[in-house]
Amino acid sequence: EPEVTQTPSHQVTQMGQEVILRCVPISNHLYFYWYRQILGQKVEFLVSFYNNEISEKSEIFDDQFSVERPDGSNFTLKIRSTKLEDSAMYFCASTPGIRGGNSPLHFGNGTRLTVT
Amino acid sequence: GNSVTQMEGPVTLSEEAFLTINCTYTATGYPSLFWYVQYPGEGLQLLLKATKADDKGSNKGFEATYRKETTSFHLEKGSVQVSDSAVYFCALSGAGETSGSRLTFGEGTQLTVNP
Repeated sequence: EPEVTQTPSHQVTQMGQEVILRCVPISNHLYFYWYRQILGQKVEFLVSFYNNEISEKSEIFDDQFSVERPDGSNFTLKIRSTKLEDSAMYFCASTPGIRGGNSPLHFGNGTRLTVT
Repeated sequence: GNSVTQMEGPVTLSEEAFLTINCTYTATGYPSLFWYVQYPGEGLQLLLKATKADDKGSNKGFEATYRKETTSFHLEKGSVQVSDSAVYFCALSGAGETSGSRLTFGEGTQLTVNP
């Protein structure tokens, strides 16, 4: 069964550095997402992306965050200048986008980001 | 706004015990409801879903019924196995939207099943 793949599985970075988290969604999917889970807290929505633009973002997704689909297969999340509180598990997800079907999201295994 | 509340964990059961994990929600309209499961070291996987009132989602022996009158979607399994040990997340997506609507998750409930 096709999977959403995320790399790296674990990233350690210093405060103030830029990080890029990478995702390869399932190939025929049209909607892409990033969620994050701070240790011990809820899984939180960050952003959704469709047709090469952001379709929705949460209040967490401020100017330090950006997303891109640079080459038709990868979907990246960039954090421009990391803060300690960005330490979390970041999940990428995709869905076919069948209209009205409420297709479930397919999640990757996540990237654990540790900011020191 | 939308919100999901799950029973507090962790939950520890013996094999073959009955499982209930409570989930209640707040939403406008008619959201779709989901249970996701996260096994150790893995991502979130859809376990089951229900898209309208009184629907029952089921998979792998797990069941949950969409109860609009009590705004609940409790997860049940009659006889749990050690392999069911995981974190379970209740979630909802917005009412009346096309696929691509964001999910709102509950806190997650850690289930441990002992042999």
